[in-house]
Amino acid sequence: KNQVEQSPQSLIILEGKNCTLQCNYTVSPFSNLRWYKQDTGRGPVSLTIMTFSENTKSNGRYTATLDADTKQSSLHITASQLSDSASYICVVGSGSARQLTFGSGTQLTVLP
Amino acid sequence: EADIYQTPRYLVIGTGKKITLECSQTMGHDKMYWYQQDPGMELHLIHYSYGVNSTEKGDLSSESTVSRIRTEHFPLTLESARPSHTSQYLCASSEWREGGYTFGSGTRLTVV
Repeated sequence: KNQVEQSPQSLIILEGKNCTLQCNYTVSPFSNLRWYKQDTGRGPVSLTIMTFSENTKSNGRYTATLDADTKQSSLHITASQLSDSASYICVVGSGSARQLTFGSGTQLTVLP
Repeated sequence: EADIYQTPRYLVIGTGKKITLECSQTMGHDKMYWYQQDPGMELHLIHYSYGVNSTEKGDLSSESTVSRIRTEHFPLTLESARPSHTSQYLCASSEWREGGYTFGSGTRLTVV
């Protein structure tokens, strides 16, 4: 069964600090890995998409890495801001709509 | 501005009522999706469409139905709402299967 596991489940950091969120997956075949940011009560917003051949991708203060050999990905947030408080969701695609596996997210809280 | 819109944002309705959740996108995307998400949990695909007059069921069994008569419109209907249908429903669209998804803000449905 395809699975995406994220850690930690929740994280609290102080404004200005960096943090790294983890994503481990057992999805086959692998097509792409996506990171989304979801504010409470809103729909997810895409941060990055990486294919098998990419091992890093940045979007502003967000940098995602992918190790397809170990089936791990991380999302690094630099110089966190209060607006970064949200759930961060890792999603692994296998090539069709039915084969998009979602993680349950890491809930990040940034405190002043 | 290209976007995806869901209405209503919140809906409280009695058991047995028929409801339709609206989803419209202005991006001209062929592919559209409906996801169900319970608080703190992962998204589950309930319906998807790859174009006009094309609809398929997703991985999560759902008593809802969808239609795709126009490219921009993908409504979801519950013929007889039950308390077990209480959840957040997210609509999304994408330009191609491997592309990033654009999500709506969601409809939070409560059936009492």
